Amino acid sequence: QQPVQSPQAVILREGEDAVINCSSSKALYSVHWYRQKHGEAPVFLMILLKGGEQKGHEKISASFNEKKQQSSLYLTASQLSYSGTYFCGTGYYGGSQGNLIFGKGTKLSVKP
Amino acid sequence: GAGVSQSPRYKVAKRGQDVALRCDPISGHVSLFWYQQALGQGPEFLTYFQNEAQLDKSGLPSDRFFAERPEGSVSTLKIQRTQQEDSAVYLCASSLGGPGQGNSPLHFGNGTRLTVT
Repeated sequence: QQPVQSPQAVILREGEDAVINCSSSKALYSVHWYRQKHGEAPVFLMILLKGGEQKGHEKISASFNEKKQQSSLYLTASQLSYSGTYFCGTGYYGGSQGNLIFGKGTKLSVKP
Repeated sequence: GAGVSQSPRYKVAKRGQDVALRCDPISGHVSLFWYQQALGQGPEFLTYFQNEAQLDKSGLPSDRFFAERPEGSVSTLKIQRTQQEDSAVYLCASSLGGPGQGNSPLHFGNGTRLTVT
């Protein structure tokens, strides 16, 4: 049931763009995205609930393709502060309302 | 406080000892979650409370793990007879959401790093 994230790691230069994918083998009810810096708590980025939904947060946006059971996180014109590990957390139809299942994460490093 | 507070920040326990980890959620948050995070991995669900009711404990790895939230606010995760495989960061999160909380963001604490020697 654990969602699969890709890529596992990516290195960018400041100003470059990146896409992080989150795929599930089960029908998704919701997708959460979080960013975690080393030694710190995961920080909420956004939630997507409906198929086809897109959301934006500064230069970070995401889409949710309900038919393909996947979500993508788009980081444009990356900044040094974007470095960290990105996790998607997925909720499933028929699953526990409290149980978000997180992927293994995508480590993003932004270099000057 | 402004955020989720967890204590202690670090805990070293000898194998076989009991430990208690505390979580103080954001005031007014209905839901509280415990996750276990191994090095280099994503958070793994342990248990979930809505107010004082423990609605899901399917992620607790064994009967050595016990969580409570008696007054619907502060929660304690207790691990009895700790084993080396219990070494991990234990994250607590809270959210405003009640039933169907999929649309409520989780607010995480900084976690307790447990090392069992």
